[in-house]
Amino acid sequence: AQKITQTQPGMFVQEKEAVTLDCTYDTSDPSYGLFWYKQPSSGEMIFLIYQGSYDQQNATEGRYSLNFQKARKSANLVISASQLGDSAMYFCAMGLANAGGTSYGKLTFGQGTILTVHP
Amino acid sequence: DVKVTQSSRYLVKRTGEKVFLECVQDMDHENMFWYRQDPGLGLRLIYFSYDVKMKEKGDIPEGYSVSREKKERFSLILESASTNQTSMYLCASSFYGAHGYTFGSGTRLTVV
Repeated sequence: AQKITQTQPGMFVQEKEAVTLDCTYDTSDPSYGLFWYKQPSSGEMIFLIYQGSYDQQNATEGRYSLNFQKARKSANLVISASQLGDSAMYFCAMGLANAGGTSYGKLTFGQGTILTVHP
Repeated sequence: DVKVTQSSRYLVKRTGEKVFLECVQDMDHENMFWYRQDPGLGLRLIYFSYDVKMKEKGDIPEGYSVSREKKERFSLILESASTNQTSMYLCASSFYGAHGYTFGSGTRLTVV
């Protein structure tokens, strides 16, 4: 079974500062993928970033980077230069992946972290 | 853009009613999923389907059933709605091997 834990119910950050959202996971599968999604108040789920368990480098997508520490089973999301539009709920998720690092199948989600960006 | 469409944004139903939540995707995705989202609990998987007429139980299937008669449509059925099924329901779809899901906009169901 896979488990995702997000221990920060809420986080606050000043505009233009960087913020780290924590995510730890537990799985016995050797090949897996880790995701982060953003959910604004409108309710839609927006895919942000993906990290395969065999990827050697941390994933980056624009202002988003994933700090992947495999030995510690953590996959923290770092948002640089926060913007007011970053205020939202953020979910960490994981699923199985094949040996090539491509995920497939169902995802297990964490509890979510509400990020508030102050001007 | 891939679209996943959920038929209703808001629904109010009475206890004991049979409720149908519909989800349609337009990009020929094999996989479709139903989650419910509750504060403090995140998203929990109810049912999923890897192909037409296939279905598998997720983590919280009790009180729900699903139907997938066509590849593009995945329906969630509450056989006899109860107040503890008041929640946000999210449908998602993906290709095999795709990175991540495409989500619908959600249905907020209230059972009174």
